[in-house]
Parts: sequence; C-alpha cells; structure tokens
Amino acid sequence: EVQLVESGGGLVQPGESLRLSCEASGFTFSSYYMGWVRQAPGKGLEWVADIKDDGGAIFYVDSVKGRFTNSRDNAKNSLYLQMKSLRVEDTAVYYCARKIRGGHDYWGQGTLVTVSS
Amino acid sequence: DIQLTQSPSFLSASVGDRVTITCRASQDISSYLAWYQQKPGKAPNFLIYSASTLQSGVPSRFSGSGSGTEFTLTISSLQPEDFATYYCQQVDSYPITFGPGTKVDIK
Repeated sequence: EVQLVESGGGLVQPGESLRLSCEASGFTFSSYYMGWVRQAPGKGLEWVADIKDDGGAIFYVDSVKGRFTNSRDNAKNSLYLQMKSLRVEDTAVYYCARKIRGGHDYWGQGTLVTVSS
Repeated sequence: DIQLTQSPSFLSASVGDRVTITCRASQDISSYLAWYQQKPGKAPNFLIYSASTLQSGVPSRFSGSGSGTEFTLTISSLQPEDFATYYCQQVDSYPITFGPGTKVDIK
C-alpha cells in the first residue's frame, strides 16, 4: 500500500524558515517523480514543485522560486521542502504527492504551515 | 503559463442526477488533463488521467472526455459520497496548474 506521511509543519513568523519532510513507503520511491501541492485555507489547489526520480531536475511555481528548495533522499525514501523567507501568503496545507505522467496519483494527509506575526 | 477555467463554480444536484463539469485550457494541452475529487479536510483523490482514463478503484459512474482545450467530467448518477469539490489539472507542461474547482452540493 502506497503511503506518504508529511511532517514539519507549524507556526512561524514572516521571514523565517521551515523544512517539511515526506516519508514514502509501499512503492519504489527512486522510480518516481515526487511533488508538493499546497492549499491555502478555504482556497483551491496550487502546485508548488516536482522533482525528478533521480533528483536531476526540479520544477517550481514562480511564487516560490529562490525561496523554496525541493530535494529527495532516495536511500531514505524521503522528500523534503526547505522553505525560506516565508510569507503570510505561504500559509497553507502542504501535501506531498507521487507524480506520474498523468498527474499526482497518491497524496499524503498534508501538513499545515502557518506564517503569521 | 497555462490557465484552466472550470464551469460551473458551484453546482447543486440531487442523488441520481447526471452531472457534467467543464474544464477549459488557455492553450492546447492534448490529453494531458487530470481530475481530482476533494472532500473537506481530506487530501485530493485522483480520479481520471489522460483526460479519459479512470484511475484504478474509481467507480465507473465517473467518466472524462475531451482533448485540446475543452474537457468534461461526468458523473452518470450522483451518489451521496460524490458531494465534494472537483478540480482539473493540466500536466502538459510546467508549471503545472489546477482549475479553480467546482463544488457539488446537495440540492
């Protein structure tokens, strides 16, 4: 059974940093692209980033470029999102998801990031 | 960036109704479109990919069609568990984008 478990969310002040983690199990992690999708409170889904299976290519939405870093450790079956210079508008539930050519087929339960002073 | 619009934004329907949601892309995305269902407080559920391929385990009352710039999600006979918000997503090119969502509510 595919499982994705996010952790690392919390309350931070604007300008601070946070690192999210996603632990994967039930599939060959190193064979799949992985991604992050977020959802601000009461809003729709926003794709944030995807990373190639070997980490050789990473894609970001413009609003996080230069502030967020998506990485993975295939030996640990883990995905990470390092977030710096956080803004109030980054407040959202962040989902880790497995990426296939047709979309994001499996999702974690999400972790809430709140950026507020 | 490829923009997606969905119509309607909100839909009120009864159990047993046939429901159709439309997603339009700002440029040709071939068949690189997916549909998701999301219930309050839950992660999205992957329903359809490549515009018309049903994900394993998804009930056959769900179907998708379209290509190019216009796509539809149809629920042939709405069930109580189908009341949710539905999103389309284009995976033709980065940045990946989602539609704004269609909320299906109980009439």
